[in-house]
Amino acid sequence: GENVEQHPSTLSVQEGDSAVIKCTYSDSASNYFPWYKQELGKRPQLIIDIRSNVGEKKDQRIAVTLNKTAKHFSLHITETQPEDSAVYFCAALKAAGNKLTFGGGTRVLVKP
Amino acid sequence: EADIYQTPRYLVIGTGKKITLECSQTMGHDKMYWYQQDPGMELHLIHYSYGVNSTEKGDLSSESTVSRIRTEHFPLTLESARPSHTSQYLCATKRPGAGDEQFFGPGTRLTVL
Repeated sequence: GENVEQHPSTLSVQEGDSAVIKCTYSDSASNYFPWYKQELGKRPQLIIDIRSNVGEKKDQRIAVTLNKTAKHFSLHITETQPEDSAVYFCAALKAAGNKLTFGGGTRVLVKP
Repeated sequence: EADIYQTPRYLVIGTGKKITLECSQTMGHDKMYWYQQDPGMELHLIHYSYGVNSTEKGDLSSESTVSRIRTEHFPLTLESARPSHTSQYLCATKRPGAGDEQFFGPGTRLTVL
C-alpha cells in the first residue's frame, strides 16, 4: 500500500519568513496530492492540491510543487503570518482510489 | 448549507459503556470515512464506506463497528469503551471522483474514564 512520509514534524519560523514542508510517497500510481491545514480545535481543511500532470500550483502565499520522478511534493508558505500557525497534513491518492494516505503532520508555529 | 454533522461534540463516559458516535451529512457524497486522531497528531483511518450497505476496515485496527443503512448516515459504535479509546473521532466525506476534495466533520472528542 501507499506510505507517505512528512518532514519536519515541527517547524518554527519568524513572521514574514518562508516555511517549507516536504512529503515523499511510495506508490508511483498516486496521482492526487492534497494539503490540509488543521487549526487548534478545528477540523482539517483543504488549502491546496495538485494532480500528477502538473509540476507546480500556486494560490496567493501558498504553493505546492511535485516531483513525480523522485516521488516527493512540497508545500511552500511565503510571508508567513501568525494565522498560518497550525498543523499541516499532506496526503496522496491513487487514480481510482478511495482512501487518502496522510503524512504524519507538521506543526508550524509562526512567531510574531 | 451542505455540511457534515457529528454528535455529540464532547463525551465523557465510564469504562465498559456502549457508545455510538453519530455522523450525518448533507453533502450528497457517497464515500464516508471515520478517522481517529489524538489532538494535532496523525490521522488514522479506522473505517470507510463506498455507499449504502458498504463498510470496510481502515488501516488502524479498531474495536469499533460501523453501519451504512442510509447514504446520509454513518454511525460508529464502541461496544465496550476503554480508556485507550480516548481520542478525537473525525467523520469525513468525499465526492465520487478520484481526485476530488475530502471534507471533514467537526469531530467528537471522547474521554473514557
